Amino acid sequence: EAQVTQNPRYLITVTGKKLTVTCSQNMNHEYMSWYRQDPGLGLRQIYYSMNVEVTDKGDVPEGYKVSRKEKRNFPLILESPSPNQTSLYFCASSPRVGMAGANVLTFGAGSRLTVL
Amino acid sequence: GQQLNQSPQSMFIQEGEDVSMNCTSSSIFNTWLWYKQDPGEGPVLLIALYKAGELTSNGRLTAQFGITRKDSFLNISASIPSDVGIYFCAGRTTSGTYKYIFGTGTRLKVLA
Repeated sequence: EAQVTQNPRYLITVTGKKLTVTCSQNMNHEYMSWYRQDPGLGLRQIYYSMNVEVTDKGDVPEGYKVSRKEKRNFPLILESPSPNQTSLYFCASSPRVGMAGANVLTFGAGSRLTVL
Repeated sequence: GQQLNQSPQSMFIQEGEDVSMNCTSSSIFNTWLWYKQDPGEGPVLLIALYKAGELTSNGRLTAQFGITRKDSFLNISASIPSDVGIYFCAGRTTSGTYKYIFGTGTRLKVLA
């Protein structure tokens, strides 16, 4: 089944304890992106990647890091989490521009993170 | 970051009624996407629109890409209880970056 898989789905952690949220897609998509969803603010882009080793900041990148060493994986790293990073996080991917469905984002099921 | 204006924010409707929601932007988009999000799940694509004026249906859902390329609407006909959820629009900008802008969502509740 074509999908975007995120882990963990739920996590409660404490301020300052480094964590990584993994994202993997099995559709050979070139584009991957991370979003956070907060009440009343909709989905805001954190980082995105156009291809392996190519990443760029979205609208709210502060406090986050990403890497794209392989095409299928795009982990989100919180080096020193803070309470304002408590949110629902989504990973998404889409095919290379010019391919069928290139403009359609496929989302993972989400990772709910609570930072105490 | 830029966001789309999506309305209404929420609505209660009776089962069997038709529903309409829309998104407007100050920017021109080359793609409009409509997603539905169920509680505890990620957004799932409903309809994708690629050309100004395009009208596309998916079952009881119909969406249109506005002529000005700055707006889109989604209609749901004869709503049923499982239509409950949050509906999001998303637009892809025409700039060189692969940028998607999301609406803040319309929360739909259907009364049986």
